[in-house]
Amino acid sequence: NAGVTQTPKFQVLKTGQSMTLQCAQDMNHEYMSWYRQDPGMGLRLIHYSVGAGITDQGEVPNGYNVSRSTTEDFPLRLLSAAPSQTSVYFCASSYLWAGYTEAFFGQGTRLTVV
Amino acid sequence: KNEVEQSPQNLTAQEGEFITINCSYSVGISALHWLQQHPGGGIVSLFMLSSGKKKHGRLIATINIQEKHSSLHITASHPRDSAVYICAAAYSGAGSYQLTFGKGTKLSVIP
Repeated sequence: NAGVTQTPKFQVLKTGQSMTLQCAQDMNHEYMSWYRQDPGMGLRLIHYSVGAGITDQGEVPNGYNVSRSTTEDFPLRLLSAAPSQTSVYFCASSYLWAGYTEAFFGQGTRLTVV
Repeated sequence: KNEVEQSPQNLTAQEGEFITINCSYSVGISALHWLQQHPGGGIVSLFMLSSGKKKHGRLIATINIQEKHSSLHITASHPRDSAVYICAAAYSGAGSYQLTFGKGTKLSVIP
């Protein structure tokens, strides 16, 4: 059971470049989400999805795009990278009622935008 | 907006000490998660609780819904417990939920 697989682990981008962070889970979880973690701050929600074809914005969605074509995959796209997007990104998944179930996190992607 | 406050921000303990990390939240939640993050590593779920108390090995988590407060205790601490511990409040609505995270408590256990 692989859990949540997130790639890449490290990435350096130039300002203006685009890229996609991949996230896949094999637990048939309905709920998937992307967070960013910055020094001195708690993780903040970027986008989330409650099932294939359904996505919604979180607290800090600007500059990011998501889609959910399958239950397993939830990629995060940076459209035009900016230095302010330098951060550590985490993907997570859970059953929908994860007010009541465990959340599973990927290993994180450390992104630097120069 | 739900806010989550953790204390202390940093904690240094001698091996064997009993450790307590506190978490307070501002509005009613459906559950409270405790997470562990090792340096350079990912995030692992330790506990999810909506009432009472849970225990796993040397770790104990409690929650007081009326006081909107949760604690994570580590008994007989060990250097391998050194990590950042994060609490996250889950609040549900409109067929979904969101997690609001505390800033984390960095624990260092010295041999």
